[in-house]
Amino acid sequence: GENVEQHPSTLSVQEGDSAVIKCTYSDSASNYFPWYKQELGKRPQLIIDIRSNVGEKKDQRIAVTLNKTAKHFSLHITETQPEDSAVYFCAASNAGGYSTLTFGKGTMLLVSP
Amino acid sequence: GAVVSQHPSRVICKSGTSVKIECRSLDFQATTMFWYRQFPKQSLMLMATSNEGSKATYEQGVEKDKFLINHASLTLSTLTVTSAHPEDSSFYICSARLGANQPQHFGDGTRLSIL
Repeated sequence: GENVEQHPSTLSVQEGDSAVIKCTYSDSASNYFPWYKQELGKRPQLIIDIRSNVGEKKDQRIAVTLNKTAKHFSLHITETQPEDSAVYFCAASNAGGYSTLTFGKGTMLLVSP
Repeated sequence: GAVVSQHPSRVICKSGTSVKIECRSLDFQATTMFWYRQFPKQSLMLMATSNEGSKATYEQGVEKDKFLINHASLTLSTLTVTSAHPEDSSFYICSARLGANQPQHFGDGTRLSIL
């Protein structure tokens, strides 16, 4: 089955800095890669996703890049703000049928003012 | 759009009690819903995939007789934790998606505490 590794487990940055979270996956058939943000005690919220037919996707301060050959994808947050502080999870799936998401272990991002 | 409602948000009950958690897709029909379990400071672990009109598919190590799943309609799936014990205490979250190649949208989760 799929295995998703996520690094780092914790990340501390100053407000205004950029933050990068990296994930690798094992199943070359995976073709859908969402990122979720989870605040303490709350639901995971989809913040951006990318499919294997594109290499990069951007939404305001958030961008995701995908390298299919190396089987890794990354989340980039620019101009970080204290409200970006949360746990971020990457995931991978082989879309189709009853495909399931395999999650990384999460990255706790702390943005200091 | 794509709102998922989960109830109850918090349950505290005695050991041996059975607890039912509901997951509803409010503004879309979901042929597939998922049930996850999350321990503190850990990732989401998939327990089972709930398919409307058919039996749920359980992940390895998840007891199907312990965690009963019913997906009776395109907007409702239920998870019943039978004869709950303290080790079943956890945060249970459901998700639903519009189709096979669509994002999963999560409910608010249910924090289950077994005394």
